[in-house]
Amino acid sequence: DSGVTQTPKHLITATGQRVTLRCSPRSGDLSVYWYQQSLDQGLQFLIQYYNGEERAKGNILERFSAQQFPDLHSELNLSSLELGDSALYFCASSVGGGFSYNEQFFGPGTRLTVL
Amino acid sequence: GNSVTQMEGPVTLSEEAFLTINCTYTATGYPSLFWYVQYPGEGLQLLLKATKADDKGSNKGFEATYRKETTSFHLEKGSVQVSDSAVYFCALRTKPQGGSEKLVFGKGTKLTVNP
Repeated sequence: DSGVTQTPKHLITATGQRVTLRCSPRSGDLSVYWYQQSLDQGLQFLIQYYNGEERAKGNILERFSAQQFPDLHSELNLSSLELGDSALYFCASSVGGGFSYNEQFFGPGTRLTVL
Repeated sequence: GNSVTQMEGPVTLSEEAFLTINCTYTATGYPSLFWYVQYPGEGLQLLLKATKADDKGSNKGFEATYRKETTSFHLEKGSVQVSDSAVYFCALRTKPQGGSEKLVFGKGTKLTVNP
Protein backbone atom coordinates (compact mmCIF):
# COMPACT_ATOMS: atom_id res chain seq x y z
CA ASP A 1 0.00 0.00 0.00
CA SER A 2 1.59 3.22 -1.22
CA GLY A 3 -0.53 5.51 0.94
CA VAL A 4 -2.04 7.20 -2.12
CA THR A 5 -5.78 6.67 -2.48
CA GLN A 6 -7.92 7.08 -5.56
CA THR A 7 -11.67 6.99 -5.97
CA PRO A 8 -13.62 5.58 -7.60
CA LYS A 9 -11.90 2.36 -8.53
CA HIS A 10 -14.04 1.88 -11.63
CA LEU A 11 -16.16 4.32 -13.62
CA ILE A 12 -18.39 3.52 -16.58
CA THR A 13 -19.99 6.37 -18.47
CA ALA A 14 -21.18 7.42 -21.91
CA THR A 15 -19.64 9.56 -24.62
CA GLY A 16 -20.17 13.27 -24.12
CA GLN A 17 -20.38 12.99 -20.35
CA ARG A 18 -18.17 14.55 -17.68
CA VAL A 19 -16.51 12.73 -14.77
CA THR A 20 -14.35 13.63 -11.80
CA LEU A 21 -11.58 11.44 -10.47
CA ARG A 22 -10.25 12.01 -6.98
CA CYS A 23 -6.84 11.48 -5.45
CA SER A 24 -5.56 11.81 -1.89
CA PRO A 25 -1.75 11.96 -1.63
CA ARG A 26 0.39 10.34 1.04
CA SER A 27 0.46 12.22 4.31
CA GLY A 28 3.06 14.97 4.05
CA ASP A 29 3.36 14.90 0.26
CA LEU A 30 2.81 18.25 -1.43
CA SER A 31 2.92 17.20 -5.08
CA VAL A 32 0.27 15.31 -6.99
CA TYR A 33 0.82 13.95 -10.50
CA TRP A 34 -1.78 12.55 -12.89
CA TYR A 35 -1.02 9.90 -15.51
CA GLN A 36 -3.09 8.18 -18.18
CA GLN A 37 -2.37 4.56 -19.06
CA SER A 38 -3.89 3.26 -22.28
CA LEU A 39 -3.08 0.30 -24.49
CA ASP A 40 -1.99 2.35 -27.48
CA GLN A 41 -0.29 5.32 -25.79
CA GLY A 42 1.23 3.58 -22.80
CA LEU A 43 1.69 5.55 -19.57
CA GLN A 44 1.65 9.29 -20.16
CA PHE A 45 2.15 12.16 -17.77
CA LEU A 46 -0.77 14.58 -17.76
CA ILE A 47 -0.21 17.25 -15.13
CA GLN A 48 1.43 18.03 -11.79
CA TYR A 49 0.29 20.20 -8.91
CA TYR A 50 2.48 21.33 -6.05
CA ASN A 51 0.93 22.80 -2.91
CA GLY A 52 -2.15 23.94 -4.77
CA GLU A 53 -0.47 25.37 -7.86
CA GLU A 54 0.05 23.87 -11.28
CA ARG A 55 3.73 22.97 -11.61
CA ALA A 56 4.12 21.02 -14.85
CA LYS A 57 2.00 20.06 -17.80
CA GLY A 58 2.30 17.05 -20.04
CA ASN A 59 0.04 15.63 -22.72
CA ILE A 60 -3.20 16.82 -21.18
CA LEU A 61 -6.12 17.52 -23.50
CA GLU A 62 -8.00 20.81 -23.28
CA ARG A 63 -11.13 18.83 -22.34
CA PHE A 64 -9.31 17.70 -19.20
CA SER A 65 -8.54 19.87 -16.19
CA ALA A 66 -7.26 19.34 -12.69
CA GLN A 67 -6.94 21.15 -9.41
CA GLN A 68 -5.40 20.65 -6.01
CA PHE A 69 -7.31 21.77 -2.97
CA PRO A 70 -6.04 23.32 0.30
CA ASP A 71 -6.13 19.90 1.98
CA LEU A 72 -3.85 18.73 -0.89
CA HIS A 73 -6.25 16.25 -2.42
CA SER A 74 -6.60 16.58 -6.16
CA GLU A 75 -9.34 16.09 -8.71
CA LEU A 76 -9.02 15.37 -12.41
CA ASN A 77 -12.01 16.48 -14.45
CA LEU A 78 -12.64 14.86 -17.82
CA SER A 79 -15.36 16.37 -20.01
CA SER A 80 -16.95 15.73 -23.40
CA LEU A 81 -15.74 12.18 -23.06
CA GLU A 82 -14.82 10.15 -26.11
CA LEU A 83 -14.33 6.42 -26.56
CA GLY A 84 -10.58 6.99 -26.75
CA ASP A 85 -10.54 8.40 -23.22
CA SER A 86 -11.12 4.91 -21.84
CA ALA A 87 -8.00 4.20 -19.83
CA LEU A 88 -6.53 3.67 -16.40
CA TYR A 89 -5.84 6.99 -14.68
CA PHE A 90 -3.14 7.00 -12.02
CA CYS A 91 -2.36 9.56 -9.42
CA ALA A 92 1.07 9.76 -7.79
CA SER A 93 2.42 11.93 -5.01
CA SER A 94 5.82 13.05 -3.83
CA VAL A 95 7.20 15.16 -1.04
CA GLY A 96 8.79 17.88 -3.12
CA GLY A 97 7.88 19.93 -6.15
CA GLY A 98 10.02 18.13 -8.67
CA PHE A 99 12.99 20.46 -8.93
CA SER A 100 15.10 17.77 -7.33
CA TYR A 101 14.51 14.06 -7.28
CA ASN A 102 11.69 12.89 -5.07
CA GLU A 103 10.29 9.40 -5.43
CA GLN A 104 6.77 9.32 -6.76
CA PHE A 105 4.34 6.95 -5.04
CA PHE A 106 1.47 5.70 -7.16
CA GLY A 107 -2.13 5.05 -6.27
CA PRO A 108 -4.04 1.97 -7.47
CA GLY A 109 -5.70 3.85 -10.33
CA THR A 110 -9.21 4.55 -11.58
CA ARG A 111 -10.35 2.54 -14.56
CA LEU A 112 -12.54 4.68 -16.82
CA THR A 113 -14.69 3.01 -19.47
CA VAL A 114 -16.48 5.23 -21.96
CA LEU A 115 -19.28 3.47 -23.87
CA GLY B 1 12.68 14.58 -27.53
CA ASN B 2 13.03 12.27 -24.58
CA SER B 3 11.76 8.74 -25.01
CA VAL B 4 12.09 5.20 -23.72
CA THR B 5 11.86 2.05 -25.79
CA GLN B 6 11.51 -1.31 -24.12
CA MET B 7 11.07 -4.77 -25.53
CA GLU B 8 7.54 -5.68 -26.35
CA GLY B 9 6.01 -8.51 -24.47
CA PRO B 10 4.49 -10.54 -23.34
CA VAL B 11 7.37 -12.53 -21.91
CA THR B 12 6.61 -15.98 -20.54
CA LEU B 13 9.20 -17.87 -18.53
CA SER B 14 9.38 -20.90 -16.31
CA GLU B 15 10.25 -20.50 -12.65
CA GLU B 16 14.01 -20.16 -12.02
CA ALA B 17 14.68 -19.01 -15.60
CA PHE B 18 16.91 -16.02 -16.36
CA LEU B 19 15.14 -12.77 -17.20
CA THR B 20 16.27 -9.90 -19.39
CA ILE B 21 14.00 -7.03 -20.38
CA ASN B 22 15.70 -4.61 -22.73
CA CYS B 23 15.34 -0.86 -22.36
CA THR B 24 16.98 1.90 -24.38
CA TYR B 25 16.46 5.61 -24.09
CA THR B 26 16.84 8.87 -25.94
CA ALA B 27 17.42 11.95 -23.84
CA THR B 28 19.26 15.21 -23.68
CA GLY B 29 21.63 15.67 -20.81
CA TYR B 30 22.07 13.04 -18.14
CA PRO B 31 18.73 11.56 -17.13
CA SER B 32 18.11 9.33 -14.15
CA LEU B 33 16.76 5.92 -15.07
CA PHE B 34 14.18 3.78 -13.32
CA TRP B 35 12.40 0.46 -13.44
CA TYR B 36 8.88 0.36 -12.06
CA VAL B 37 6.77 -2.75 -11.50
CA GLN B 38 2.98 -2.99 -11.64
CA TYR B 39 1.45 -6.07 -10.02
CA PRO B 40 -2.07 -7.06 -11.13
CA GLY B 41 -4.67 -4.61 -9.86
CA GLU B 42 -2.13 -2.28 -8.27
CA GLY B 43 -0.36 0.96 -9.03
CA LEU B 44 3.27 1.27 -10.07
CA GLN B 45 6.01 0.72 -7.54
CA LEU B 46 9.61 1.81 -7.90
CA LEU B 47 11.75 -1.30 -8.32
CA LEU B 48 15.21 0.22 -8.75
CA LYS B 49 16.97 3.29 -10.04
CA ALA B 50 20.32 4.60 -11.25
CA THR B 51 21.24 8.26 -11.37
CA LYS B 52 24.49 8.32 -13.32
CA ALA B 53 26.46 6.36 -15.88
CA ASP B 54 27.79 2.97 -14.74
CA ASP B 55 25.56 2.99 -11.66
CA LYS B 56 23.90 -0.34 -10.94
CA GLY B 57 20.47 -0.35 -9.36
CA SER B 58 19.35 -3.48 -7.56
CA ASN B 59 16.39 -4.67 -5.53
CA LYS B 60 14.66 -7.99 -4.83
CA GLY B 61 17.18 -9.86 -6.99
CA PHE B 62 16.66 -7.55 -9.98
CA GLU B 63 19.54 -5.52 -11.39
CA ALA B 64 20.03 -2.90 -14.09
CA THR B 65 23.16 -1.00 -15.09
CA TYR B 66 23.09 2.51 -16.55
CA ARG B 67 25.09 2.26 -19.80
CA LYS B 68 25.63 5.67 -21.33
CA GLU B 69 27.61 4.38 -24.32
CA THR B 70 24.71 2.19 -25.44
CA THR B 71 21.95 4.38 -23.88
CA SER B 72 20.55 1.28 -22.22
CA PHE B 73 19.22 0.18 -18.85
CA HIS B 74 18.34 -3.49 -19.26
CA LEU B 75 16.58 -5.26 -16.39
CA GLU B 76 17.90 -8.68 -15.34
CA LYS B 77 17.14 -11.31 -12.75
CA GLY B 78 18.98 -14.57 -12.42
CA SER B 79 16.10 -16.75 -11.26
CA VAL B 80 12.51 -15.57 -11.57
CA GLN B 81 9.65 -16.65 -9.34
CA VAL B 82 5.93 -16.91 -9.98
CA SER B 83 5.48 -13.87 -7.73
CA ASP B 84 7.52 -11.78 -10.22
CA SER B 85 4.65 -11.96 -12.71
CA ALA B 86 3.80 -8.31 -13.37
CA VAL B 87 4.20 -5.51 -15.90
CA TYR B 88 7.62 -3.83 -15.86
CA PHE B 89 8.13 -0.22 -16.98
CA CYS B 90 11.40 1.43 -17.81
CA ALA B 91 11.40 5.19 -17.24
CA LEU B 92 13.65 8.20 -17.33
CA ARG B 93 13.50 11.39 -15.36
CA THR B 94 14.00 14.59 -17.28
CA LYS B 95 14.52 17.97 -15.80
CA PRO B 96 14.29 20.72 -18.39
CA GLN B 97 16.21 23.88 -17.50
CA GLY B 98 14.14 25.96 -15.15
CA GLY B 99 11.38 23.38 -15.18
CA SER B 100 10.06 20.62 -13.02
CA GLU B 101 11.08 17.01 -13.36
CA LYS B 102 8.97 14.64 -15.42
CA LEU B 103 8.94 10.90 -15.74
CA VAL B 104 8.82 9.46 -19.25
CA PHE B 105 7.78 5.80 -19.39
CA GLY B 106 8.24 2.99 -21.83
CA LYS B 107 5.14 1.05 -22.89
CA GLY B 108 5.65 -1.72 -20.39
CA THR B 109 6.55 -5.40 -20.70
CA LYS B 110 4.24 -8.00 -19.26
CA LEU B 111 6.05 -10.90 -17.61
CA THR B 112 4.34 -14.17 -16.76
CA VAL B 113 6.25 -16.77 -14.78
CA ASN B 114 4.84 -20.29 -14.79
CA PRO B 115 5.53 -22.84 -12.03
